[in-house]
Amino acid sequence: QTVATQEPSLTVSPGGTVTLTCASSTGAVTSGHYPNWFQQKPGQAPRALIYSTNNKHSWTPARFSGSLLGGKAALTLSGVQPDDEAEYYCLLYYGGAWVFGGGTKLTVL
Amino acid sequence: QVQLVQSGAEVKKPGASVKVSCKASGNSFTSYNMHWVRQAPGQGLEWMGVINSNGGTTGNAQTFQGRVTLTRDTSTSTVYMELRSLRSEDTAVYYCARQLSGGYFDCWGQGTLVTVSS
Repeated sequence: QTVATQEPSLTVSPGGTVTLTCASSTGAVTSGHYPNWFQQKPGQAPRALIYSTNNKHSWTPARFSGSLLGGKAALTLSGVQPDDEAEYYCLLYYGGAWVFGGGTKLTVL
Repeated sequence: QVQLVQSGAEVKKPGASVKVSCKASGNSFTSYNMHWVRQAPGQGLEWMGVINSNGGTTGNAQTFQGRVTLTRDTSTSTVYMELRSLRSEDTAVYYCARQLSGGYFDCWGQGTLVTVSS
């Protein structure tokens, strides 16, 4: 069974920078996995942030960026704000099926 | 502004079936693949399956093989997810999400809570 693995939790100070990663059990994550990143706050539906590795939606704040880093998909938040406290999920494509990572709970403290 | 509006909460008994709908407003319904994702209480997101833009092909996670059917009605811009042989572990919020080719996910429905309880 294919698994996408994220850090369970991370803590960052306001104004700081943090990188969340998403690893694949099948090997290196590539652009062919079409990595997507979503933000979810309690009681809300997920919101799309990044698609196809590093592309932002029109509503995605500039402080969010996506990349491939060391064989993983990565989401970097620069200049973190208190409102960024949320759960973040990656999503990877495996030729007909998609797999979500387990999610990273980001705490801004 | 595109919206995906899902049907209301459901309570079902074990062994029953549930059918959740997701209606799209705006244009380009036929251009998008539609995915279904669920989230059990306190848990992460779980991809269930996808129905492609013309309704001709569906793909499901192995977990749901044989239990889930995805359909779409172009005339009403609505997609449906039917889950059969429900068990308590199927209690979750079910979401629809749309996707263009190339991994472009954008819009999500508001979610539908399905509770399975005797």
